[in-house]
Amino acid sequence: EDQVTQSPEALRLQEGESSSLNCSYTVSGLRGLFWYRQDPGKGPEFLFTLYSAGEEKEKERLKATLTKKESFLHITAPKPEDSATYLCAVRVQGGSEKLVFGKGTKLTVNP
Amino acid sequence: SQTIHQWPATLVQPVGSPLSLECTVEGTSNPNLYWYRQAAGRGLQLLFYSVGIGQISSEVPQNLSASRPQDRQFILSSKKLLLSDSGFYLCAWSVLRSEKLFFGSGTQLSVL
Repeated sequence: EDQVTQSPEALRLQEGESSSLNCSYTVSGLRGLFWYRQDPGKGPEFLFTLYSAGEEKEKERLKATLTKKESFLHITAPKPEDSATYLCAVRVQGGSEKLVFGKGTKLTVNP
Repeated sequence: SQTIHQWPATLVQPVGSPLSLECTVEGTSNPNLYWYRQAAGRGLQLLFYSVGIGQISSEVPQNLSASRPQDRQFILSSKKLLLSDSGFYLCAWSVLRSEKLFFGSGTQLSVL
């Protein structure tokens, strides 16, 4: 069964304190790994797509990386406005339109 | 630019009552459309997806149904709500053969 596990479930950082979120996956064939940001009471907002091991994408203070078994979302010098839940999802081979989502990491950045 | 509209934002319904949630997309043609549910402590769960008018695929057997009467309209329905139907319902769209999803603002459904 395809699975996506995110860790930690929750993370508290001080403003400027860099850290990483982890997304590990067990799938039959990866067709893409996606990172989304979700603010409370709102729909997820797309951040990145990664397709192959070694690939990296950056956006402002965020950088996503991908290996054959996991992805990391690195947050450099975070600000309070980076506080949100970060979701990881994978699309698997087989022609299905389905994305398998992890449960997310709730990030809180204190000023 | 493309936009997605989903309503209502909040809904409180008694057990056994019907449900109709509507989602519309503007600014694109022939999108893939999706209904997801997000329950507390769980990841987003795909309920239905559609690649065209009248074409609905169900991922999870349940008390819900979906319909796509027009190209950019997607409706989630139930004849009789259960307590377990409570959750945050999200509509999403993607460009055909693209893999990036764009989500609506969601509907928080509480069944009491």
